[in-house]
Amino acid sequence: AQSVSQHNHHVILSEAASLELGCNYSYGGTVNLFWYVQYPGQHLQLLLKYFSGDPLVKGIKGFEAEFIKSKFSFNLRKPSVQWSDTAEYFCAVNAGITGGGNKLTFGTGTQLKVEL
Amino acid sequence: DAGITQSPRHKVTETGTPVTLRCHQTENHRYMYWYRQDPGHGLRLIHYSYGVKDTDKGEVSDGYSVSRSKTEDFLLTLESATSSQTSVYFCAIGAGSTSGANVLTFGAGSRLTVL
Repeated sequence: AQSVSQHNHHVILSEAASLELGCNYSYGGTVNLFWYVQYPGQHLQLLLKYFSGDPLVKGIKGFEAEFIKSKFSFNLRKPSVQWSDTAEYFCAVNAGITGGGNKLTFGTGTQLKVEL
Repeated sequence: DAGITQSPRHKVTETGTPVTLRCHQTENHRYMYWYRQDPGHGLRLIHYSYGVKDTDKGEVSDGYSVSRSKTEDFLLTLESATSSQTSVYFCAIGAGSTSGANVLTFGAGSRLTVL
C-alpha cells in the first residue's frame, strides 16, 4: 500500500522568505505525485503534478517541486512566499492500477502561515 | 467548483440518524471519490467508484455506504451517524488512467456535525 509523510505540520514564515515543504512516499514502483493547496475556507486545488520526464516540475503561483526517486521524495519549494500563500498544503501519491487503483493517498498536510 | 456540486453544504444532525450526502458531476468522469478531512489526518478515502454500480472501499469505510446508479451522481450514506463522523466531506472526480496519471478535481465540501 502507498503512504505519504509530510514532515512539517505547521510552518510560519515572513513574506519574501524561501519555502521548502517536505514530502516522502512509500511505494517501490512507478508513482504519480501531486501537491494540492487548500486556502482558508476553500476546497483543494491542484498546485502541480509529476507523472514522468523532467523531475523538476513547475506549478501555479511560482511553486515548483523536485522528484528525487532515490529518496522517495517530492518536496515543494517557492523562492519567495507572499501573504496570500497562507494555506494548507497536501502532498499526494497515486500508484495507478498496478499499485491498487486510481486512488490518491494524501499526507496529513502542512499548515503554512505567512506573516507580513 | 465547476463541474462538481455537493449537497448539502452544511448539515447538523443527531446521533443515530441516517444522513445522505450527494455529489453531482457534469464532467462525465469515470471515477468518483468520497474523502473526509479531519485535523491532523489530512484527507482519507472513504469509498470510491470506477463506474456505474462499481464501487470499492477506501481506508476509512466503516460506517459508510455508497451508491452510484448514474454516471453523474455518487451518494454517501451514513446509516446511523455517530459523533466520530463529524467532519468535512469532499467529493472528487477523475477521468482515470491505467498509469495513475489521474488528476482529481474536488468539490466545495460538505460540513457535517453530529451531535
